[in-house]
Amino acid sequence: QKEVEQDPGPLSVPEGAIVSLNCTYSNSAFQYFMWYRQYSRKGPELLMYTYSSGNKEDGRFTAQVDKSSKYISLFIRDSQPSDSATYLCAMSQIIQGAQKLVFGQGTRLTINP
Amino acid sequence: DGGITQSPKYLFRKEGQNVTLSCEQNLNHDAMYWYRQDPGQGLRLIYYSQIVNDFQKGDIAEGYSVSREKKESFPLTVTSAQKNPTAFYLCASTRSRGGNQPQHFGDGTRLSIL
Repeated sequence: QKEVEQDPGPLSVPEGAIVSLNCTYSNSAFQYFMWYRQYSRKGPELLMYTYSSGNKEDGRFTAQVDKSSKYISLFIRDSQPSDSATYLCAMSQIIQGAQKLVFGQGTRLTINP
Repeated sequence: DGGITQSPKYLFRKEGQNVTLSCEQNLNHDAMYWYRQDPGQGLRLIYYSQIVNDFQKGDIAEGYSVSREKKESFPLTVTSAQKNPTAFYLCASTRSRGGNQPQHFGDGTRLSIL
């Protein structure tokens, strides 16, 4: 079983829809959760990060963490064609004083005008 | 503008050849990382360095080598021992060593076999 599971999609929705992207994890030691957006042939761009369970909002984006269920989500409101990209979840723990990230495999999202 | 610069953007390797990928950051970050990304897979850690002149193996270090002689530079060499080097290579950095914090990425180098 992978430490982090993410539905690879592809996911295609009409412009203006609410998008829900999800990851589950098995390692209770993960303490810090991130979402990245990656456009084709580019590096991942940090969208949001959070430590705690609950919701964190930034503009059209909301990150949700449920540590009891080992489940994180990213919601995109009023989706735009420019949101079309691959979205990666990442989870962090400290091992021997160093941060170690584990990434989901990414969900490819297309927003249709 | 501060950021992470990776070069070249595309690189081709012949059989038996070593190639070196460049990663330079002007963010004054202490820690730097190298990841490999294969199609449909998440990023996998190759090497990381928390301080100058020190680096540690990640999950898939075999066939790779690194150096950290300067704080701003962390080059990755893909050696001939790496039998499946075709991938997208990403360099990242964090402000300080240790602790949970966001990692920031460069725009990658795509390596292919000739």
